[in-house]
Amino acid sequence: GQNIDQPTEMTATEGAIVQINCTYQTSGFNGLFWYQQHAGEAPTFLSYNVLDGLEEKGRFSSFLSRSKGYSYLLLKELQMKDSASYLCAVMDSNYQLIWGAGTKLIIKP
Amino acid sequence: DGGITQSPKYLFRKEGQNVTLSCEQNLNHDAMYWYRQDPGQGLRLIYYSQIVNDFQKGDIAEGYSVSREKKESFPLTVTSAQKNPTAFYLCASSHIAGGPTDTQYFGPGTRLTVL
Repeated sequence: GQNIDQPTEMTATEGAIVQINCTYQTSGFNGLFWYQQHAGEAPTFLSYNVLDGLEEKGRFSSFLSRSKGYSYLLLKELQMKDSASYLCAVMDSNYQLIWGAGTKLIIKP
Repeated sequence: DGGITQSPKYLFRKEGQNVTLSCEQNLNHDAMYWYRQDPGQGLRLIYYSQIVNDFQKGDIAEGYSVSREKKESFPLTVTSAQKNPTAFYLCASSHIAGGPTDTQYFGPGTRLTVL
């Protein structure tokens, strides 16, 4: 079966760095997406990786290792507004998105 | 402004009633999707459509129906056959080209509560 694993919840301090991991087992691979979702709102797109390596976008970076079925989202200089759930999703061989359950990130002052 | 709209934001329904959730997009996207989100679970695909007048069942289509008469619109009907309809419903759309342009963009969601 297809599976995406992420930690359920993480806590970090304002101004610090946090890494949210995602491991996946899917039927084929056509890219990995990270989304941010604030409570009660819709997910918003953060990043896309299809090749191995690190993609940097401001305070957020996303890394992919296809051979290990592994990705992480790195958030630097954490702000209170970064408190949200972070969703990892993999596009499979049928171009369907398989979603993880999300990681709830709590930022403390 | 380009985007995806869903209405209503909150919806209450009595058991045994059908209800239709609206989804409209002006992004000129070919594909549209309906997801259901429950606490502690990932998004689950209900239905998707890649072209007008055609749609495919997702993982949890039972108790739901859709139509795609226009490129911009993809309404979802939650029927009385859906045993546990209380959830947050999300509509999304995307291009179909392979790669980053397949990024799905979401509407604000409709929270359905069955009383």
